[in-house]
Amino acid sequence: NAGVTQTPKFQVLKTGQSMTLQCAQDMNHNSMYWYRQDPGMGLRLIYYSASEGTTDKGEVPNGYNVSRLNKREFSLRLESAAPSQTSVYFCASSRLGGFTDTQYFGPGTRLTVL
Amino acid sequence: GNSVTQMEGPVTLSEEAFLTINCTYTATGYPSLFWYVQYPGEGLQLLLKATKADDKGSNKGFEATYRKETTSFHLEKGSVQVSDSAVYFCALPPQGGSEKLVFGKGTKLTVNP
Repeated sequence: NAGVTQTPKFQVLKTGQSMTLQCAQDMNHNSMYWYRQDPGMGLRLIYYSASEGTTDKGEVPNGYNVSRLNKREFSLRLESAAPSQTSVYFCASSRLGGFTDTQYFGPGTRLTVL
Repeated sequence: GNSVTQMEGPVTLSEEAFLTINCTYTATGYPSLFWYVQYPGEGLQLLLKATKADDKGSNKGFEATYRKETTSFHLEKGSVQVSDSAVYFCALPPQGGSEKLVFGKGTKLTVNP
């Protein structure tokens, strides 16, 4: 049971480049989330997917798109990277939903945009 | 919507010292409350939670009591260890029935031997 896995672990992009961050969970969870973590800001929700086939914006969705490919996988795409998107990105999942349910986090992707 | 305010760090303690990290919340109703911990280089993991008022969550020697009178959920541990060095986050749902969580800004704890 790998839990929540994320790829890549590290990435350096130039301004304007695009990339997709991959996330997968093997716990048969319904809900999945993408967060970014910045110094002094805590975690901020970018997008989430309450169930397969649905996605919704979180607190800071601008500049990002997501795809809930199937129940296991939830990807985050940066179409045109900007230095302000330099951050650590975490994917998480939960069985039913975060309001009473535990969220399980991946190890994170450290992204630098030059 | 609901929100949490967490004491700012960093907090530096000696081994075996008593720890308190303050968390207060603003909420409609009585949402579940959570403490998550992030060890260096890792993602967050649930430390403990309380799903209703007056509940006490506990795990690994840490405790937090859901106090509706003071709208608080302070994290405490009687005797910290070097291995407790981490960043601690208080969290709650932004509104009733939400699938999401709103996190505090985190408090970094360093425990020295």
